[in-house]
Amino acid sequence: EAGVVQSPRYKIIEKKQPVAFWCNPISGHNTLYWYLQNLGQGPELLIRYENEEAVDDSQLPKDRFSAERLKGVDSTLKIQPAELGDSAVYLCASSLEVDPTGNNEQFFGPGTRLTVL
Amino acid sequence: AQSVAQPEDQVNVAEGNPLTVKCTYSVSGNPYLFWYVQYPNRGLQFLLKYITGDNLVKGSYGFEAEFNKSQTSFHLKKPSALVSDSALYFCAVREGFSGGYNKLIFGAGTRLAVHP
Repeated sequence: EAGVVQSPRYKIIEKKQPVAFWCNPISGHNTLYWYLQNLGQGPELLIRYENEEAVDDSQLPKDRFSAERLKGVDSTLKIQPAELGDSAVYLCASSLEVDPTGNNEQFFGPGTRLTVL
Repeated sequence: AQSVAQPEDQVNVAEGNPLTVKCTYSVSGNPYLFWYVQYPNRGLQFLLKYITGDNLVKGSYGFEAEFNKSQTSFHLKKPSALVSDSALYFCAVREGFSGGYNKLIFGAGTRLAVHP
């Protein structure tokens, strides 16, 4: 079974440029997450989707970040314009949540390492 | 508010010796606790979880963790370390369901170095 797929794996851009990350979750997983991982820190949730609905985007900086999950499968995270402080690893994860308890493990992709110059 | 602490930035252990990676947590209600491992240039991999039931949880690759409610701890253990266990380990906590979804909070991570 294929795991969570993310692309690109690495991205280097100039500040003020736009950038987009793509994620394909594990087949059948209804819940998708985008996390930000800074160097030396644990992942921090940016946004969570249940199917195509963003149910928790409270940590997403909406002035420059946007995300979508059309058709409830693949997802794209965009930054426009990027700032120096956005340099980090962006992780996508998915899980199959069959009830509201949220006790199922999340499966993570390899991440996209973004460097903003 | 939920929080999780991993008090050690790095743990060094000799191959064949037992290892412990510490984790303490704070939640208002019942905790759901998870351990993940991250190898270089790879995503986090699930090791084990505690939701309810037995305090000793067994997981992948011979790892286990013990839930201690009085000490609010969930330390990761392995009886005999392997060099291949060298990686970054993350503890995570979520407050158990209380009518609404609670997000997963990760610790800062502990780097485990197993020496031959």
